Amino acid sequence: AQTVTQSQPEMSVQEAETVTLSCTYDTSESNYYLFWYKQPPSRQMILVIRQEAYKQQNATENRFSVNFQKAAKSFSLKISDSQLGDTAMYFCAFMNPTQGGSEKLVFGKGTKLTVNP
Amino acid sequence: SAVISQKPSRDICQRGTSLTIQCQVDSQVTMMFWYRQQPGQSLTLIATANQGSEATYESGFVIDKFPISRPNLTFSTLTVSNMSPEDSSIYLCSVRSNPGAEQFFGPGTRLTVL
Repeated sequence: AQTVTQSQPEMSVQEAETVTLSCTYDTSESNYYLFWYKQPPSRQMILVIRQEAYKQQNATENRFSVNFQKAAKSFSLKISDSQLGDTAMYFCAFMNPTQGGSEKLVFGKGTKLTVNP
Repeated sequence: SAVISQKPSRDICQRGTSLTIQCQVDSQVTMMFWYRQQPGQSLTLIATANQGSEATYESGFVIDKFPISRPNLTFSTLTVSNMSPEDSSIYLCSVRSNPGAEQFFGPGTRLTVL
């Protein structure tokens, strides 16, 4: 079974600075997807960024980028120019698109990020 | 991205009663899922709601406790039956349009059982 590990329960960063959240996963599959979701206090789960395992290029979405190291099974999220609105729980998630399977998301335990003014 | 609504947004219920949560999507989607998020915890998949057939439940979750319906490609319900305080959680509906595509979440239903 796939597992996702987020080793940082809590992190903080000063506004405008850069922070990196760690995520590692365990799988024997070669084709899969990785995601970072953000959950602010409103509890709405928001998709931040998505990475296909077959793509070597790291995904980027504005201030958010990932460092995908497939051999190391590592998928970290970098937030540049941190803003107060980035304060939230961040969840790393894994999905294996097996044909006929449920394609369920497996989540890590989350990292609580606080951006300080 | 799909727009997903859930009703109710929150409820406080008595032990032993049941609550049905509705999930409505503004477009047809291939897959719908129900997740539970216990206080301070991550998300755990309860089941995949299958259109026109019985839901597929994850280990630890059973149909008698969490009956699910999905009558069409835009709507699903989750019932939490015979509730106990341990069922106090946020319940989230989630959808995916195509295999391997992004998965989006509804706003969640915060359930408190007294």
